[in-house]
Amino acid sequence: QSALTQPASVSGSPGQSITISCTRTSSDVGGYNYVSWYQQHPGKAPKVMIYDVTKRPSGVSNRFSGSKSGDTASLTISGLQAEDEADYYCCSYAGGGTSMVFGGGTKLTVL
Amino acid sequence: QLQLQESGPGLVKPSETLSLTCTVSGGSIISSSYYWSWIRQPPGKGLEWIGSIFFSGSTYYNPSLKSRVTISIDAPNNQFSLRLSSVTAADTAVYYCARRWTYHYDSNGSPSGYYFDYWGQGTLVTVSS
Repeated sequence: QSALTQPASVSGSPGQSITISCTRTSSDVGGYNYVSWYQQHPGKAPKVMIYDVTKRPSGVSNRFSGSKSGDTASLTISGLQAEDEADYYCCSYAGGGTSMVFGGGTKLTVL
Repeated sequence: QLQLQESGPGLVKPSETLSLTCTVSGGSIISSSYYWSWIRQPPGKGLEWIGSIFFSGSTYYNPSLKSRVTISIDAPNNQFSLRLSSVTAADTAVYYCARRWTYHYDSNGSPSGYYFDYWGQGTLVTVSS
């Protein structure tokens, strides 16, 4: 069981907003200040959408945003589009030097 | 544009050693800014970090795999490699290589790091007799 817990699935209609949570369930997950989010379409490599909890890489739509409250980090996608349908994974520095841990993943369905 | 490409056998027999190489192009593997990493994804399942290596050769491994994993670096050829010993069917997965930032201060002076910004396309390795 991952030290980062995500819901298995979320869904939303085009134009709506959705939020995917990522809860730290183990003290092994360091200070939880370095959470990143990855989008993965079927058969493709993951793509970073958010890093350092809130930062967005160049080229990523501003419809994607990240936040954190206590032990829960969140990814919000506003103005849902069909192309957003994918699996989303959170990831965090896990301390102990440079260990990393991924959440179990969330399947986003755009209705 | 940085590119990473995994290569190696797509089929490995149980109890044998899985060996993969990641070739980096468009940038040097010798950099104090990055760790070079391996991540895997069993069919239909989530991502699992396997381990990372610094250009100096320092390595960090997932504790659950540490006894079976070796990651090495070949700086002159801009490559790094993964060896996973005593494989079983549970090691069947798509294996990705990726670049991960080290801790640093970004252009705004804010602490940053610990994220994977470039990934290879992935290679499926099946463990079967």
